[in-house]
Amino acid sequence: NAGVTQTPKFHILKIGQSMTLQCTQDMNHNYMYWYRQDPGMGLKLIYYSVGAGITDKGEVPNGYNVSRSTTEDFPLRLELAAPSQTSVYFCASSPGTPTGELFFGEGSRLTVL
Amino acid sequence: GQNIDQPTEMTATEGAIVQINCTYQTSGFNGLFWYQQHAGEAPTFLSYNVLDGLEEKGRFSSFLSRSKGYSYLLLKELQMKDSASYLCAEVDSNYQLIWGAGTKLIIKP
Repeated sequence: NAGVTQTPKFHILKIGQSMTLQCTQDMNHNYMYWYRQDPGMGLKLIYYSVGAGITDKGEVPNGYNVSRSTTEDFPLRLELAAPSQTSVYFCASSPGTPTGELFFGEGSRLTVL
Repeated sequence: GQNIDQPTEMTATEGAIVQINCTYQTSGFNGLFWYQQHAGEAPTFLSYNVLDGLEEKGRFSSFLSRSKGYSYLLLKELQMKDSASYLCAEVDSNYQLIWGAGTKLIIKP
């Protein structure tokens, strides 16, 4: 019973490098989300998707891109990494409504040096 | 913009009861979530309230007052494993989640 799987769990990037955080879910959920969590702050929505082929910006999309080619996968791309992108990133999914329970992945701790 | 307020940290004793409060802006309200997050782990769902009143789920209960823009999470018979952060999140008028910064609950023996 995998649920939401994120990789990698930890990564260190140099300033200006790019990378992709992978997220896949096996619950056939339509809604998927990417959040970042910084110390002392609430979760901030980066991007979300309501179904395959549909993505939209959240509160803090700058410096990131996403795609949703399948129901299962929702990768997050960081372009030209900056120290401000040092954070813990969580991918989440929910069955079908914005008021549904969110199922989170274990998180990806990213450091940009 | 939306603003969710909850205490930064609370301390309670094993076996006791603790109430964690959350206030939010009332315009465009579409529900309120509580999640639990242990250190270094992902948040996990505790409760969702959209109507006024108290909902009980085992040792945990959640209360909502829409007119006051106020919710609380009540934890009874505290156990050491309840040491975690508790996140309050409002569903806004656009059906997006606005998250509080979380309340770190420390349980002492």
